Amino acid sequence: GAVVSQHPSRVICKSGTSVKIECRSLDFQATTMFWYRQFPKKSLMLMATSNEGSKATYEQGVEKDKFLINHASLTLSTLTVTSAHPEDSSFYICSARDSGGSDRSKQYFGPGTRLTVT
Amino acid sequence: QKEVEQNSGPLSVPEGAIASLNCTYSDRVSQSFFWYRQYSGKSPELIMSIYSNGDKEDGRFTAQLNKASQYVSLLIRDSQPSDSATYLCAVYSGYSTLTFGKGTMLLVSP
Repeated sequence: GAVVSQHPSRVICKSGTSVKIECRSLDFQATTMFWYRQFPKKSLMLMATSNEGSKATYEQGVEKDKFLINHASLTLSTLTVTSAHPEDSSFYICSARDSGGSDRSKQYFGPGTRLTVT
Repeated sequence: QKEVEQNSGPLSVPEGAIASLNCTYSDRVSQSFFWYRQYSGKSPELIMSIYSNGDKEDGRFTAQLNKASQYVSLLIRDSQPSDSATYLCAVYSGYSTLTFGKGTMLLVSP
């Protein structure tokens, strides 16, 4: 149980284009999902908290107009990197919290999406 | 500012030994504590959770929590080369998000 998927696992795009990453909770409902970014050999950095049916909450320094988050259902959140630049190349990881679970603090991570912007 | 501190390592242990990973946290009202394992190039995987003082064992893993000292640890018995990874300590304080440490790299040599 508690499986989270991400799609795509890898994507290469050209500078200036937009890329959408999907995060799905496969066997549970998640009113809250989280988006992280991780650069090589660096720690996880929380970008935003995605809330089903409402606006995402972005961490300080994260541009909400560049990283668009949509959480339209209880099992799907999407992150769109708009007008991507090479410095956006990173490992993007989502996590989800089981809304119906006994432990609301536990987060389950997706496998991640490696984005390369050329 | 909630903080979770871990020694970055690497912690090197020989195969079969006990690996001890430590974590301290700053927020006294923290409620839930987690250990995640992250292999290079992969996403974190939840391996242990602990909520009350004392020890919690799961297979070769034992999590230890001391709320008075604001300290949580992970022991890995009979360490294997496949245990080589970065171990992330995460703390939940009743706010929306988990606070992660920067992780300790563990290297288990054959």
